[in-house]
Amino acid sequence: DADVTQTPRNRITKTGKRIMLECSQTKGHDRMYWYRQDPGLGLRLIYYSFDVKDINKGEISDGYSVSRQAQAKFSLSLESAIPNQTALYFCATSDPRGAEETQYFGPGTRLLVL
Amino acid sequence: KQEVTQIPAALSVPEGENLVLNCSFTDSAIYNLQWFRQDPGKGLTSLLLIQSSQREQTSGRLNASLDKSSGRSTLYIAASQPGDSATYLCAVRHTGNQFYFGTGTSLTVIP
Repeated sequence: DADVTQTPRNRITKTGKRIMLECSQTKGHDRMYWYRQDPGLGLRLIYYSFDVKDINKGEISDGYSVSRQAQAKFSLSLESAIPNQTALYFCATSDPRGAEETQYFGPGTRLLVL
Repeated sequence: KQEVTQIPAALSVPEGENLVLNCSFTDSAIYNLQWFRQDPGKGLTSLLLIQSSQREQTSGRLNASLDKSSGRSTLYIAASQPGDSATYLCAVRHTGNQFYFGTGTSLTVIP
């Protein structure tokens, strides 16, 4: 079974709708991250969390919110989706106790906002 | 703001060839640099991580180098195979836990 899972894997929604993307991990890591990937722009950090209830803004947090209610779960919400939020979204985890703190990524959620 | 650039954007080579992928970054005050492989539908997989104090790391047929002062890293792949076909991303990390990714190099290894 995958260590980092994301649901849904694909989602089509309409402008103005509220949607939530879920991320779960079985790695026992404290740190979790949400990125979006756009063609030609690479991955950009949206939000990150170092522990339950800890929330930090990344490079592009406007229009998004997150929730970290448990160590294993980190949810990303789009309160009112807009077409330029169409992208591939990745969740990642890392363990600060490791010397290298490698990030482990989920398979991604492909979101289309019409 | 850190900017990470990867050249070339796409590369096609015959099987067996050795190849080099390039990554450059504008702010040399990095904590570490990491190379990832991205396969469609499978997310990113970490290949090599180089701490800022290190010059290179090796794993099997892969060798990554880091020249922090000049803002450059290279990923060398020896004896390429069709299974190496993927997009390769580099990412730099700063001490404030901000990660910055390049746009990637799409590699195709032709049998």
